[in-house]
Amino acid sequence: AQSVTQPDIHITVSEGASLELRCNYSYGATPYLFWYVQSPGQGLQLLLKYFSGDTLVQGIKGFEAEFKRSQSSFNLRKPSVHWSDAAEYFCAVGPDNYGQNFVFGPGTRLSVLP
Amino acid sequence: ETGVTQTPRHLVMGMTNKKSLKCEQHLGHNAMYWYKQSAKKPLELMFVYNFKEQTENNSVPSRFSPECPNSSHLFLHLHTLQPEDSALYLCASSQGTSQGTQYFGPGTRLLVL
Repeated sequence: AQSVTQPDIHITVSEGASLELRCNYSYGATPYLFWYVQSPGQGLQLLLKYFSGDTLVQGIKGFEAEFKRSQSSFNLRKPSVHWSDAAEYFCAVGPDNYGQNFVFGPGTRLSVLP
Repeated sequence: ETGVTQTPRHLVMGMTNKKSLKCEQHLGHNAMYWYKQSAKKPLELMFVYNFKEQTENNSVPSRFSPECPNSSHLFLHLHTLQPEDSALYLCASSQGTSQGTQYFGPGTRLLVL
């Protein structure tokens, strides 16, 4: 079965600093990978996704993520964080053609210092 | 309206009440989902509907009863809930259940007293 881990429960960065959120997955084949963001009291918004091709994918709000098969990772990055980026970030794997549904990681909460 | 909408946004109910959550998607998708999001726990998939047919029930207690009258609407009927059912209930939709990106609604914040 697929699984997703996000090793950092909570990260605090200063506004303007760079950001990297870690995501590791367990899956038997090439996965479909997603990053979602959730602001307080809101639903999840898709930031970016990887299906195939270029392993560096660009998303909305200046985010990017890199798929590294050798490390089973799909880390999210942003070169300069804005205060409005404070939110909960979820990495997800799936679904696939074999009945596997989405599997979400536990989330990483990002706080941004002024 | 665009995207996925959910009503109500907030709901407080007693354990003996019966209420329903509503989800509507305006994206032309054919698959819809209910998730439960509790504090400090990962998102839990509850139900999956594909072309109005339920394809997944993740061992959800019978006090939660889903209904999908068409591909655009999804309901979650609630009765005799427990306080531990208090959570954010999220609806999502996608174009198919395999390889389809899921788009989420804003959620219904439920408090069971």
